[in-house]
Amino acid sequence: NAGVTQTPKFQVLKTGQSMTLQCAQDMNHEYMSWYRQDPGMGLRLIHYSVGAGITDQGEVPNGYNVSRSTTEDFPLRLLSAAPSQTSVYFCASSYSRASAYEQYFGPGTRLTVT
Amino acid sequence: AQSVTQPDIHITVSEGASLELRCNYSYGATPYLFWYVQSPGQGLQLLLKYFSGDTLVQGIKGFEAEFKRSQSSFNLRKPSVHWSDAAEYFCAVVQGGSEKLVFGKGTKLTVNP
Repeated sequence: NAGVTQTPKFQVLKTGQSMTLQCAQDMNHEYMSWYRQDPGMGLRLIHYSVGAGITDQGEVPNGYNVSRSTTEDFPLRLLSAAPSQTSVYFCASSYSRASAYEQYFGPGTRLTVT
Repeated sequence: AQSVTQPDIHITVSEGASLELRCNYSYGATPYLFWYVQSPGQGLQLLLKYFSGDTLVQGIKGFEAEFKRSQSSFNLRKPSVHWSDAAEYFCAVVQGGSEKLVFGKGTKLTVNP
């Protein structure tokens, strides 16, 4: 199993550009989530999904959209990038809602918005 | 509001010394508690977790943690630190029934030879 994969590893955007961060898992996990990590802030939850077709907001959802059309994929979309979205983004997944708390993390995407 | 506090931003220990990383939480009900480790440039890896039962839990890489309800704490310990333990450590908490995992701000561990 590849586990949780994220692409790209690095990305530089200009303010106002849009892009999609990809996340995929091959463990048949129901629960998937996106976090951003900023220095001195720990990880903050952006959006999460408890299954295909179901998504909900986390702590810092503004400026980000998600969808979950399949169990495997959970892309994160930035519609109009802002410098405040410069961060490292982590995708995570876990087996089921009941055990949604033990999460497996991807390697991260480092995004810079200029 | 639910919160997790890791009071120490940065800790330096000598190789072979013992280690304790502090974590305090504020929740009304019994929380589920986790410690994750992040090596430089990597994602997070689960070290150990507490859901219920024995309040002293063993994890991977020789780490253990103790849940103390009276102190709202879940401190991470290791008897003898190795140079490879240098990393950033995150305490995380979720309240039963919630889907949202809340992380502390992390403690960076430096290990001196």
